[in-house]
Amino acid sequence: NAGVTQTPKFQVLKTGQSMTLQCAQDMNHEYMSWYRQDPGMGLRLIHYSVGAGITDQGEVPNGYNVSRSTTEDFPLRLLSAAPSQTSVYFCASSYGPLALAKNIQYFGAGTRLSVL
Amino acid sequence: GESVGLHLPTLSVQEGDNSIINCAYSNSASDYFIWYKQESGKGPQFIIDIRSNMDKRQGQRVTVLLNKTVKHLSLQIAATQPGDSAVYFCAEVPSGFNFGNEKLTFGTGTRLTIIP
Repeated sequence: NAGVTQTPKFQVLKTGQSMTLQCAQDMNHEYMSWYRQDPGMGLRLIHYSVGAGITDQGEVPNGYNVSRSTTEDFPLRLLSAAPSQTSVYFCASSYGPLALAKNIQYFGAGTRLSVL
Repeated sequence: GESVGLHLPTLSVQEGDNSIINCAYSNSASDYFIWYKQESGKGPQFIIDIRSNMDKRQGQRVTVLLNKTVKHLSLQIAATQPGDSAVYFCAEVPSGFNFGNEKLTFGTGTRLTIIP
């Protein structure tokens, strides 16, 4: 069971370039989320999805797009990379809402992104 | 992990000793709390959770204590091992509608180092 898989593990972009961070889970989880983690700050939610075809914005959505065409995949797109988007990005999934029925959120290993 | 930097509180504990990691939460309406462990280069991993109607919960070698009066949470790790070296952070979920886990708020974390 692979869990949550993120690719690539590392990426360097130039300002203005676009790219897609991939996230896939094989646990048949409905809920998926993207977070960014910056030094001295807690994880911050970028976008989330509660099922295929349903997405919504989190705390810091500007500059990012998502889509959820399948239950398994939840890609994060950077439209025009900026140095402020240098961060570590984590994808997470859970069967349902946390605090209900013992749902646990599983995280991928992260993508370390540098924007020059 | 490498994604949290120099401003993290740190705690060093001799192998075999017990450790206590503290977390102050801000929202008095929070009613569900989670502790995560993040090893270097990896994503966060669920350790233990507790609901606001409890003041203590025990797992394998870990105990979480909740003091709602002072909005304080602690994680106790018994008989620490080298593999316990990691960043630990708490997260809270306020009561009420939490459609897609979007209300989950993370703390910045404490770096625990186990001295052999």
